[in-house]
Amino acid sequence: SQQGEEDPQALSIQEGENATMNCSYKTSINNLQWYRQNSGRGLVHLILIRSNEREKHSGRLRVTLDTSKKSSSLLITASRAADTASYFCATDANNAGNMLTFGGGTRLMVKP
Amino acid sequence: NAGVTQTPKFRVLKTGQSMTLLCAQDMNHEYMYWYRQDPGMGLRLIHYSVGEGTTAKGEVPDGYNVSRLKKQNFLLGLESAAPSQTSVYFCASTTPGGYTFGSGTRLTVV
Repeated sequence: SQQGEEDPQALSIQEGENATMNCSYKTSINNLQWYRQNSGRGLVHLILIRSNEREKHSGRLRVTLDTSKKSSSLLITASRAADTASYFCATDANNAGNMLTFGGGTRLMVKP
Repeated sequence: NAGVTQTPKFRVLKTGQSMTLLCAQDMNHEYMYWYRQDPGMGLRLIHYSVGEGTTAKGEVPDGYNVSRLKKQNFLLGLESAAPSQTSVYFCASTTPGGYTFGSGTRLTVV
């Protein structure tokens, strides 16, 4: 079963617009991570937010975490065509093996 | 400094054949993982290892075996391939800051 569920499953926007993706999860977590996957490639780590953090920024990325609602959001500001990819949230439920459980992903298309 | 390297990148197997996927990392990470990704879905954990000589089952371990004889290598074996194992396989290793993934192995079982 998947811990994280992304919403929406697919998102299409124009270059320059902001893109917001949401992730919900079921159990308590140690941290939540966001990954990006270009078509046919491996996943690339974007950002990690710990359970005691509420917001984190990295360049054009802004991640929020609401542990009371068991949800997170990823905001990409001023999107570019090169941001076109699938974005996955993954939760670390504080298990001994640091295993991550991934959601189904949001497919983002940024039109030039 | 290659990070995580997976071989092979592509493979076609006939039902019942066996094969081994190799994952190598040069970052001295303790933890390594094998995931599979099916079309339009997220990743599901097959097996993982928290150190040399140790392995453990993940969410979908049936039909797979693994070995971690050396810290830098994590092998995934399919003893008797089935069409349901057609997937893209990703290896990853980690520090507490996040995973580093390989570029994947696309496996088709016919």
